[in-house]
Amino acid sequence: GIQVEQSPPDLILQEGANSTLRCNFSDSVNNLQWFHQNPWGQLINLFYIPSGTKQNGRLSATTVATERYSLLYISSSQTTDSGVYFCAVERGTASKLTFGTGTRLQVTL
Amino acid sequence: ETGVTQSPTHLIKTRGQQVTLRCSSQSGHNTVSWYQQALGQGPQFIFQYYREEENGRGNFPPRFSGLQFPNYSSELNVNALELDDSALYLCASSLGPNEKLFFGSGTQLSVL
Repeated sequence: GIQVEQSPPDLILQEGANSTLRCNFSDSVNNLQWFHQNPWGQLINLFYIPSGTKQNGRLSATTVATERYSLLYISSSQTTDSGVYFCAVERGTASKLTFGTGTRLQVTL
Repeated sequence: ETGVTQSPTHLIKTRGQQVTLRCSSQSGHNTVSWYQQALGQGPQFIFQYYREEENGRGNFPPRFSGLQFPNYSSELNVNALELDDSALYLCASSLGPNEKLFFGSGTQLSVL
């Protein structure tokens, strides 16, 4: 099956700093989504982005499908950004997403 | 517009028992997917239901079964519980099989 690797595995930032999270995948995909799992376990969908660039407030994402990677940018980080960020991909026609290994982010004051 | 709701939030069972978890999809969504998340890992796909039919299954044994109702709510049933079934079970709904997923807050299952 498709392999999804995320980097870095762990990240500690001071409030206000910017960061870039990376997701590499081993095969072509037609569905890529980024999620934030907060410390209470709730998974929030950040982006549906199989290709191209999208922005939502302080967050933006870029997927370069031909080179099999996606980037999530977090600007002016806040403590509420803490949690685990997952990239998830699918090759077929159903949302049978394969999740990556995750990046655990901690934002400190 | 209500989001995805799951019940119960927590559950404790003993090995060999059976369990049913429930999920109400977001208004307007016809597709429900179930995932299992073990501690410290990413979610793993169990199966998906689209308009009351199973539309794909992950690498889980047959004792994991599901159902989707005409109102698009769904159930996940697990028979003959094993210790390794202890996990967070997440339900997600979407407008269609390959659309953006919206997750519920999950059911934490502990098998003793």
